[in-house]
Amino acid sequence: GIQVEQSPPDLILQEGANSTLRCNFSDSVNNLQWFHQNPWGQLINLFYIPSGTKQNGRLSATTVATERYSLLYISSSQTTDSGVYFCAVGIQGAQKLVFGQGTRLTINP
Amino acid sequence: EPEVTQTPSHQVTQMGQEVILRCVPISNHLYFYWYRQILGQKVEFLVSFYNNEISEKSEIFDDQFSVERPDGSNFTLKIRSTKLEDSAMYFCASDDRGQGGYTFGSGTRLTVV
Repeated sequence: GIQVEQSPPDLILQEGANSTLRCNFSDSVNNLQWFHQNPWGQLINLFYIPSGTKQNGRLSATTVATERYSLLYISSSQTTDSGVYFCAVGIQGAQKLVFGQGTRLTINP
Repeated sequence: EPEVTQTPSHQVTQMGQEVILRCVPISNHLYFYWYRQILGQKVEFLVSFYNNEISEKSEIFDDQFSVERPDGSNFTLKIRSTKLEDSAMYFCASDDRGQGGYTFGSGTRLTVV
C-alpha cells in the first residue's frame, strides 16, 4: 500500500518563529489533506490540497504531486499552534485516507 | 460551518461489553467513515460506508465490528465484545467527494477496563 512519511517527527520552536513540515508519499494521490490535532484530540482540517498552493492566514500549503510531496508552512507561530500535524492521502479507486505518523509541534512562549 | 457530531465524547466500558458509538455526519455528504487512533499512534482507517453498505474495510474491522445507518442522519459503530486493545479514540468522518475533503468529528475516547 501507499507509504506516507512526515518529517521532522518533533519540532520545538519559540513563539514567532516560522516552520516547514514535510509529507512524502510513495504513489500518485487524488486526495491530500493536512490536519491539526489539538491537545484535546480533535482533528481540524487545515487544507484539502491534492495539488497546487493554498493559503489561510498564517498557514499555507504546497503539494507537488509529480514529485510526491507536500509542505505545510506556519509563519509567526503562536502557542495555540502546538499539537500534532498529520498529512493524509487518498489514492484513485480507494476511499480511505492513509495517515502519516505526524509531526509534533511545540511552540514555547 | 457544517460539522460532524459524535457522541459520547468519552465512554468507559467493561471488557466483553458491547458499545455503540454514534455519529451525525454532514447532511449533504454521501460517504461516511470510521477511523481509530490508539494513544500516541497514527490514525488508522476502519471502514467506509456508501449507499447503505460497506464499501471498504480494513483488517482491523473484523467480525466484532459493525456499522449501521439506522435513519437518515445517524451513523453508528458497534463493537460487540470489547477487548482491552480496543481502547482508542474513534473518529467518524464524512466526505463530499472532492469539494473539500474529509471532515472529522471530535472523536469518542473509548476506554476498556
